[in-house]
This record gives sequence, C-alpha cells and structure tokens, in this order.
Amino acid sequence: QLRLQESRPGLVKPSETLSLTCAVSGASITRSTYYWAWMRQPPGKGLEWIGTISYSGTAYYSPSLKSRVTISVDTSKTQFSLKLSAVTAADTAVYYCARGVNKYSWFDSWGQGALLTVSS
Amino acid sequence: EVVLTQSPATLSLSPGERATLSCRASQSVSDYLAWYQQKPGQAPRLLIYDASSRATGIPARFRGSGSATDFTLTITSLEPEDFAVYYCQQRANWPITFGQGTRLEIK
Repeated sequence: QLRLQESRPGLVKPSETLSLTCAVSGASITRSTYYWAWMRQPPGKGLEWIGTISYSGTAYYSPSLKSRVTISVDTSKTQFSLKLSAVTAADTAVYYCARGVNKYSWFDSWGQGALLTVSS
Repeated sequence: EVVLTQSPATLSLSPGERATLSCRASQSVSDYLAWYQQKPGQAPRLLIYDASSRATGIPARFRGSGSATDFTLTITSLEPEDFAVYYCQQRANWPITFGQGTRLEIK
C-alpha cells in the first residue's frame, strides 16, 4: 500500500525559504514509471500544481513559480523534497505531495497535506 | 496555459438524485482530463482519469465523459458520502492546471 507523508507543517517568515519533504513508503521511488509531484491549496481555495520530478531527478516546474522552486529526489532515503524561496503571505497553503504515472499526469496517490503559514 | 472552468460553483441536491458537473477547457485537451473529490480536511482523491476511466476502487456511480473542451462528471445516484468538492485537472498542455471546483452540497 503506497503511502506518502509530508514533513511537519510549520511557520515560515516572509522572504525565507520554505522546505518540505515527502517520505514514500509501500512503493519504489526509483521505479521509472512513476513521477513525484507537489501541489498546494491556499486556505479555502483551489489546487495549484507546483512541479513534478522523475526518479532520475529531472524536474518540471510551473512557470509561475519556476524562479523560486527547487524539487529534488533522494532515492536512498525514498523521499523527495520541495524548496520555495522568497516566500510571501501568498504562499500560505496546504502543500501536498503526490504520485503521477508520467511527467504530464493525473495523480493517483496523495499525502495528507502539510499547512505552511508565512508570517513574521 | 489551459484554463478550466467548472460549473456550477455550487450544486445542491438530495441523496438519491443524479448530479451532473461540468468542466470546460479554454482549448482542446483531447481526453487528458481527470476528476478528483475532496472532503474537508482531506487530500483530493482521484476518481476519473483520461476523461472516462475510473480509478481503482471508485464506485460505478461515478461516470466521466467528454472530449476536447467539454467534460462531464455524472454521479448517477448520490450517496451521503458523495457530498464534497470536485475538481477537474488537465494534463494535455503544460503547465498542468486545475479547475476552481464545484461544491456539491446536501439540499
């Protein structure tokens, strides 16, 4: 049974860098048919795709966030990570990790989400 | 960027009734459209992918249809657990985008 678990929610100060990890269990993160993604959802709003990474480390980012986002994968630790720099209040959201079946994909398994709040 | 417009924003129905949710794309996405269900405090759950294929474990009362720019999610007979927010998502054109959601509420 695949399980994705985001790291703990938290508080980030404006202009700092947000960091999250997603631990993957129950499936191989190195399987080439899978891709690993991050989405976010501001409170009371809809979903936004942030980016997707392959097991080999090739990443694809949303154009609106590309200048501030880095997604990486650590196959030895069976986890992948998100870094978002220069955060503002607009980045306050629940961040979800998820699994896709290719680089342009639907997402068949999701983590439970982690609320990141940007505030001084 | 493909804009997905969902309608209605809110749909009020009773258990046992049929629900019809719409998702319209600003340009053709072929059949590369998915539907998700999200309940309060939970992650989205994949219901339908590639317009009409049900995801694993999804009941047969959930049906997806459509192609190109017009898509429909039909729930043939509403169960109490079906009242939630529904999102569509396209994967045909970069970047991946979601609709703004339809809230299905109990009448």
